[in-house]
Amino acid sequence: NAGVTQTPKFQVLKTGQSMTLQCAQDMNHEYMSWYRQDPGMGLRLIHYSVGAGITDQGEVPNGYNVSRSTTEDFPLRLLSAAPSQTSVYFCASRKGYRDYEQYFGPGTRLTVT
Amino acid sequence: AQSVTQLDSQVPVFEEAPVELRCNYSSSVSVYLFWYVQYPNQGLQLLLKYLSGSTLVKGINGFEAEFNKSQTSFHLRKPSVHISDTAEYFCAVSKFTSSGTYKYIFGTGTRLKVLA
Repeated sequence: NAGVTQTPKFQVLKTGQSMTLQCAQDMNHEYMSWYRQDPGMGLRLIHYSVGAGITDQGEVPNGYNVSRSTTEDFPLRLLSAAPSQTSVYFCASRKGYRDYEQYFGPGTRLTVT
Repeated sequence: AQSVTQLDSQVPVFEEAPVELRCNYSSSVSVYLFWYVQYPNQGLQLLLKYLSGSTLVKGINGFEAEFNKSQTSFHLRKPSVHISDTAEYFCAVSKFTSSGTYKYIFGTGTRLKVLA
């Protein structure tokens, strides 16, 4: 199993550009989540999904969009990039709800100039 | 309201000394608690978790944590640290939401630096 994969690893965008961060998992996990990590702020939840076709907002959803058309994929779209979205983005998945361990991807380092 | 608070942003400690990393959670959340570790330039991996039962939980790499309901704490401990334990450590809770699902909330992290 590849686990959780993310692409790209690095990305530089100009303000106003849009892009999609890709996330895929091959463990047949129902739950998938996107986090951003900023110095001193830990990991903050952006959006999460409890299954194909079902998504919900996390703590910091503004400026991001998600969809979940398949169990395997959970892309994160930046609609109009802003410098405040410069961060490291992690995708995670887990088998079920409540008490399951989360598995993390390697992260995408995004810089918005 | 913050669901989980890590009180120390950085903890320096000498090699082979004991260490405690502190974590407090909001009593309004369900008590499924986790500690994760992040080595430099890597993703997070699970150290240990508390779901129910014994309040002392043992994890990987010699770490353990104690769930204390009265103090709403879940502190992480190791009796003797190694240089290789230098990393960032995150406490997390699995929180029940009004929409009937559970979401993971992380603390702000504690950077452990082990000194030779």
